[in-house]
Amino acid sequence: QVQLEQSGAEVKKPGASVRVSCKPSGYSITNYAMHWVRQAPGQRLEWLGWIHIGEYRTKYSEKFEGRLTITGDTSASSIYMELSSLTSEDTAIYYCARDLRGGYVYWFLDLWGRGTQVTVSS
Amino acid sequence: DIEMTQSPSSLSASVGDTVTVTCRASQSIEYYVNWYQQKPGQAPKVLIYSSGSLYGEVPSRFDGDGSGTDFTLTIRGLQPDDFASYFCQQTYSSPYTFGQGTTVEIK
Repeated sequence: QVQLEQSGAEVKKPGASVRVSCKPSGYSITNYAMHWVRQAPGQRLEWLGWIHIGEYRTKYSEKFEGRLTITGDTSASSIYMELSSLTSEDTAIYYCARDLRGGYVYWFLDLWGRGTQVTVSS
Repeated sequence: DIEMTQSPSSLSASVGDTVTVTCRASQSIEYYVNWYQQKPGQAPKVLIYSSGSLYGEVPSRFDGDGSGTDFTLTIRGLQPDDFASYFCQQTYSSPYTFGQGTTVEIK
């Protein structure tokens, strides 16, 4: 069955970093792009960035440039989202989501992980 | 950033009703709109892409339309499984922003 398995909930202190993993099953991480989207309590969904391992491409929202890193490890068949310099405003559910079209024309997110709760609290 | 303004924020409807959700972009985005459904505690699911294309086995009672700045998602013959939240997303330019969501509740 094709699905995305995400790592477990995290609790971090302000100023720390968090790394969330996303492991697809049923397909290779080099085949499609993977996006990261977050949803803070009571807020709209927010797009963070994406990576296409097979095509060596990444793109980040300018809002997170400098503190967001999305990487992939083909040996682990996993994709990682790392966010640094955390504040309470980063408290959210973080989703990875597959993009079949690799960020090209009329792309959309057809397969989502279950989400990872990241809580930033002192 | 392109702002996506969705309306209404919530609506009440009965099974069998037809409901329409609207999304307005702050600038022209051609046909670069997707619609997602989300239920409490679950990840979003794509319904419509490129404004009017139905994804996979999504029921045909879901219909997307629009171009430029104004887009609609219409659900004809509302079913019990359709009571959920709906979000639009623009993929015209980065950052790829979402609307604030519309919750469809049972009347």
